[in-house]
Amino acid sequence: SQKIEQNSEALNIQEGKTATLTCNYTNYSPAYLQWYRQDPGRGPVFLLLIRENEKEKRKERLKVTFDTTLKQSLFHITASQPADSATYLCAPGGSTLGRLYFGRGTQLTVWP
Amino acid sequence: DTAVSQTPKYLVTQMGNDKSIKCEQNLGHDTMYWYKQDSKKFLKIMFSYNNKELIINETVPNRFSPKSPDKAHLNLHINSLELGDSAVYFCASSQDRGQGLRTFGSGTRLTVV
Repeated sequence: SQKIEQNSEALNIQEGKTATLTCNYTNYSPAYLQWYRQDPGRGPVFLLLIRENEKEKRKERLKVTFDTTLKQSLFHITASQPADSATYLCAPGGSTLGRLYFGRGTQLTVWP
Repeated sequence: DTAVSQTPKYLVTQMGNDKSIKCEQNLGHDTMYWYKQDSKKFLKIMFSYNNKELIINETVPNRFSPKSPDKAHLNLHINSLELGDSAVYFCASSQDRGQGLRTFGSGTRLTVV
């Protein structure tokens, strides 16, 4: 069965630094991968989608890479701010029925 | 104007009871979902409907029965609630059932005592 691992449950970094979150998957060949942000007591919010034929995608301070050989996606937040503190979920997908499997998430804390 | 709204936000009930959670989306999306997020924070797909047709039923006990009266609504009825059903249930919708980004509701925290 599909397995999705996100590097660590918690990541603490100082404001202004770059946060790098890792998503590894096994037993799966997703055609695309989505990243979401989840704040406490709220539903996940979509951030970025990257397709298997795209190496990198950017949106403002966010950058996502997708390496289908390594079966890995990296999610970067540059110039991080305390407001970036949240849990970030990766979700590889690709079946025609739209099954999207979510990782457990990495809880990011950005301290001043 | 909430895009995906679900009610109630909190639900505390005793084992053996039957309860329903309602979900509505005003985005005009064709596909709706129910996800379950357990205490370990895993978010798992339960059901997916596309234009009122069930397309994903992810080995969920048949005590859980989704119903989609129209493509803007997807309700979840749970019979004979068990302690293990305690979790946060999220409704979501997407424009299509493929790569479409999911728009989630704010969740219903179900506690079975």
